[in-house]
Amino acid sequence: QKEVEQNSGPLSVPEGAIASLNCTYSDRGSQSFFWYRQYSGKSPELIMFIYSNGDKEDGRFTAQLNKASQYVSLLIRDSQPSDSATYLCAVNINNFNKFYFGSGTKLNVKP
Amino acid sequence: KAGVTQTPRYLIKTRGQQVTLSCSPISGHRSVSWYQQTPGQGLQFLFEYFSETQRNKGNFPGRFSGRQFSNSRSEMNVSTLELGDSALYLCASSLNQGSAYNEQFFGPGTRLTVL
Repeated sequence: QKEVEQNSGPLSVPEGAIASLNCTYSDRGSQSFFWYRQYSGKSPELIMFIYSNGDKEDGRFTAQLNKASQYVSLLIRDSQPSDSATYLCAVNINNFNKFYFGSGTKLNVKP
Repeated sequence: KAGVTQTPRYLIKTRGQQVTLSCSPISGHRSVSWYQQTPGQGLQFLFEYFSETQRNKGNFPGRFSGRQFSNSRSEMNVSTLELGDSALYLCASSLNQGSAYNEQFFGPGTRLTVL
């Protein structure tokens, strides 16, 4: 079992819709969770991080964490074609910078 | 504040050669991590350095090594290159030690092609 699992997609949504991206993790000791966006041919760009159960909002993005169920999700409201990218979920399990990444979900936002 | 920089951006080598990649973290960041990204395996952790010491290591063979200098700049070396080493090598820097609550910021990467 991989430490972090994501559906590879592609996930297609129309412009203006809500895109919902999900991620599950295996280690219950995981403490911090990150979402990165990666455009084709570019490096990952940090979008959001979340440490506590519940929701965290930043503009059009909302990260949700449920430690009991071991999943973290990212909601993108009012999706734009420029949101089309691969979204990577990352988990920091221990107290040092050892991150595990999911394989990423490819999001297509259709105009 | 300048971001993470990596050099070179592109590199072509042949099997059996060795290669050294360089990474300069964001000013003030003392932790540098290296990742390999391939279409088949995704983003895989190589190792992490803090204050010139390797703190974490992924599951890569000993051909992959690294080091960090006193100014936090880091290098990684791959010896006896194999075709499967063709990948995007990413460096990421973060601020603190000893905490799970560190955001990592990635550099643009070095695209290595092994022929």
